[in-house]
Amino acid sequence: GEDVEQSLFLSVREGDSSVINCTYTDSSSTYLYWYKQEPGAGLQLLTYIFSNMDMKQDQRLTVLLNKKDKHLSLRIADTQTGDSAIYFCAESPPRLGSGYSTLTFGKGTMLLVSP
Amino acid sequence: KAGVTQTPRYLIKTRGQQVTLSCSPISGHRSVSWYQQTPGQGLQFLFEYFSETQRNKGNFPGRFSGRQFSNSRSEMNVSTLELGDSALYLCASSPGQASLYNEQFFGPGTRLTVL
Repeated sequence: GEDVEQSLFLSVREGDSSVINCTYTDSSSTYLYWYKQEPGAGLQLLTYIFSNMDMKQDQRLTVLLNKKDKHLSLRIADTQTGDSAIYFCAESPPRLGSGYSTLTFGKGTMLLVSP
Repeated sequence: KAGVTQTPRYLIKTRGQQVTLSCSPISGHRSVSWYQQTPGQGLQFLFEYFSETQRNKGNFPGRFSGRQFSNSRSEMNVSTLELGDSALYLCASSPGQASLYNEQFFGPGTRLTVL
């Protein structure tokens, strides 16, 4: 398909790890992104990974990239109730001949963290 | 630095009317992108403006239009509103220069309800 795909919903208990998965479509994407949207707010960049990396860790966040399968995942360790939000992955294929990229977002995964 | 601002935050219109939404990007950013967010379709790209020119366009009907002013502020217009246009409209700005790293900074959105 042509869409960036994510599961729509994930529910975890506080203190557990959360893993949000994403399948993207364009292998020419140089950067892949994870954005977070809290209720009533716009999206905010959470983390990103450069396409020549397999893994990136940033405090409680771990991003894994499998370029062969075009699979991206976001792991949140020790998930807290404040992590409850919608998480979007985004690919960024370059515009041919332009030197810049455009973003294509998945539909978002709603993460619900219960105490 | 002030973030991306959008006005109004909430809007109620009736079918057949037209509406104009406004977005002020982060100072120094020259690219403004617009997205429509609905529960069913997720985040869909409308269009992007860079230096007063439409640089990219999503797959929306001609009722959706936009423009950008010399100070990079942008407006989007929806004419002949339909019930299905009810959505959260998000604006995002970025420097817009030739770079494959494309972090976008989002505003809080305008919630449009069409009755």
